[in-house]
Amino acid sequence: GAVVSQHPSWVICKSGTSVKIECRSLDFQATTMFWYRQFPKQSLMLMATSNEGSKATYEQGVEKDKFLINHASLTLSTLTVTSAHPEDSSFYICSAPNGESTEAFFGQGTRLTVV
Amino acid sequence: GENVEQHPSTLSVQEGDSAVIKCTYSDSASNYFPWYKQELGKGPQLIIDIRSNVGEKKDQRIAVTLNKTAKHFSLHITETQPEDSAVYFCAASYGGYQKVTFGTGTKLQVIP
Repeated sequence: GAVVSQHPSWVICKSGTSVKIECRSLDFQATTMFWYRQFPKQSLMLMATSNEGSKATYEQGVEKDKFLINHASLTLSTLTVTSAHPEDSSFYICSAPNGESTEAFFGQGTRLTVV
Repeated sequence: GENVEQHPSTLSVQEGDSAVIKCTYSDSASNYFPWYKQELGKGPQLIIDIRSNVGEKKDQRIAVTLNKTAKHFSLHITETQPEDSAVYFCAASYGGYQKVTFGTGTKLQVIP
């Protein structure tokens, strides 16, 4: 099946700094990608929809100025957590639908720890 | 918006027994219902899915059933094996680009 790769797999940063997470579709193009956040022992919650060539669409309650999304190409979307705080520590996961099917493929996730 | 409820939250079965996880959804417009397996520290992996025009689908030891009228769908795993131990999520979505709403998850433990 199609492959979606996230980088880094884990990151530790100091409070107040910014962290960038990349999501790449390796063998297909994705005009849309989705970013989820998962707290320990909880479900995945959709944060935003990343649209290639246009602004991202954020879910209610998600601060667009804090979670910057850039979908600069058909194979890459980035999520930047700005001015990170300990409460932003979470597992961030992206997904991308392969236009040739209706299945969405998920990345392996990025564990963010803010200290 | 869509709301997906999932039960049970934890499930322990003996190796070889069957496991059943049930979900309900709220939006009658949802027409695609995937099931994901998530192992610790990894992203979700699709294991089976079903569309609203089908009542049942089976893939080896895994089967899914859908009752559109009742807005229920279930995952059945037969002949469970220790490697089936993981967290399972049901999900529902509408439309072609798979913006899915996840259930709350079920932690399945298969005891050898």
